[in-house]
Amino acid sequence: DSGVTQTPKHLITATGQRVTLRCSPRSGDLSVYWYQQSLDQGLQFLIQYYNGEERAKGNILERFSAQQFPDLHSELNLSSLELGDSALYFCASSASGGMSGGELFFGEGSRLTVL
Amino acid sequence: TQLLEQSPQFLSIQEGENLTVYCNSSSVFSSLQWYRQEPGEGPVLLVTVVTGGEVKKLKRLTFQFGDARKDSSLHITAAQPGDTGLYLCAGFGNEKLTFGTGTRLTIIP
Repeated sequence: DSGVTQTPKHLITATGQRVTLRCSPRSGDLSVYWYQQSLDQGLQFLIQYYNGEERAKGNILERFSAQQFPDLHSELNLSSLELGDSALYFCASSASGGMSGGELFFGEGSRLTVL
Repeated sequence: TQLLEQSPQFLSIQEGENLTVYCNSSSVFSSLQWYRQEPGEGPVLLVTVVTGGEVKKLKRLTFQFGDARKDSSLHITAAQPGDTGLYLCAGFGNEKLTFGTGTRLTIIP
């Protein structure tokens, strides 16, 4: 158990819809990262938050947005969903804010299926 | 955009054999990590290498960071069924952790 909690574990929805994925980081971790993993592929970095502020941005679509709340949990919002958005979405947390080689602890992921 | 290519993409070998997985990039990374991911779970960190030329051993796993900090390798000695999984390298650079394309390893008992 990494200590990172993601909900929901599975989500099935239709094209055009909007969903929200939730992540609770490990106790004490200030950084939250979101990654997308498509079938049999590596992880694509979407966005990082540190203590409520956006720290780094990857290849995140404009239809996607995220935020980190004062209690440090984070939400990833996916809107106008397309078939190609079907993927595993991982949240990870770390104690440090910078990408300095610290360990990332990953949740079990949220599997999104868009029909 | 920093890209990390892993090879091979798929590898299936008999228990007891040795294997090497490669992670290559044209970019320089300040450090590089290797993760293992099992079905239904998130990746779990195996090792972090920081210095060019660094070699780290974790039981039967040996990790090496290239001298120029652009590439890395993972060598497994006497592979066991418990080594089965998706192996991912990840490099730190430009304020991001970039993951490689992954190597799916299957060890046949």
